Amino acid sequence: DAGITQSPRYKITETGRQVTLMCHQTWSHSYMFWYRQDLGHGLRLIYYSAAADITDKGEVPDGYVVSRSKTENFPLTLESATRSQTSVYFCASSQGRSPLHFGNGTRLTVT
Amino acid sequence: GIQVEQSPPDLILQEGANSTLRCNFSDSVNNLQWFHQNPWGQLINLFYIPSGTKQNGRLSATTVATERYSLLYISSSQTTDSGVYFCAVEDTGRRALTFGSGTRLQVQP
Repeated sequence: DAGITQSPRYKITETGRQVTLMCHQTWSHSYMFWYRQDLGHGLRLIYYSAAADITDKGEVPDGYVVSRSKTENFPLTLESATRSQTSVYFCASSQGRSPLHFGNGTRLTVT
Repeated sequence: GIQVEQSPPDLILQEGANSTLRCNFSDSVNNLQWFHQNPWGQLINLFYIPSGTKQNGRLSATTVATERYSLLYISSSQTTDSGVYFCAVEDTGRRALTFGSGTRLQVQP
């Protein structure tokens, strides 16, 4: 199906483990984004990418790594998960200055 | 960075009522978008509206960029309108949206 898909929908992991959240879009949008949503903080930008092999930090990048080897994929890796990274993670995409479209989110719990 | 303030933070309406949500931003923006987050957590784009007025069914939005605010109007509200409404802006320094803290709307039958 066309659109933007995130996986997994739910993930429980332990402190210190590496976790990768996946994001795939079928629109060939050039821009992709990762946000996290926490109570009291709203939606905050972690990283974004303007094209394959081009990434840039957002507001809260510490503890996260991204890559974009293909236009359609934008994985987010937590190299050593901490409890403070428990959150709902949203991936989004857009074609330049056009409407932003979100995936359904990944709910991550770090124990 | 740019500041985005939304008001009111919470709103409770009876079905059929109208409402106006406001978004103020602190600096010039390249674009402004409104989103609805439904009770299941999905974020749906309502409007891409850097300036002017747009309408989509019972919803309409107006952005006055020179005065740094945008308004979202919901007419004849329905219970399915419940959720959180976010305003987000792209400032001139970064090609990514900064979100306001949202307005939580509850429409009661």
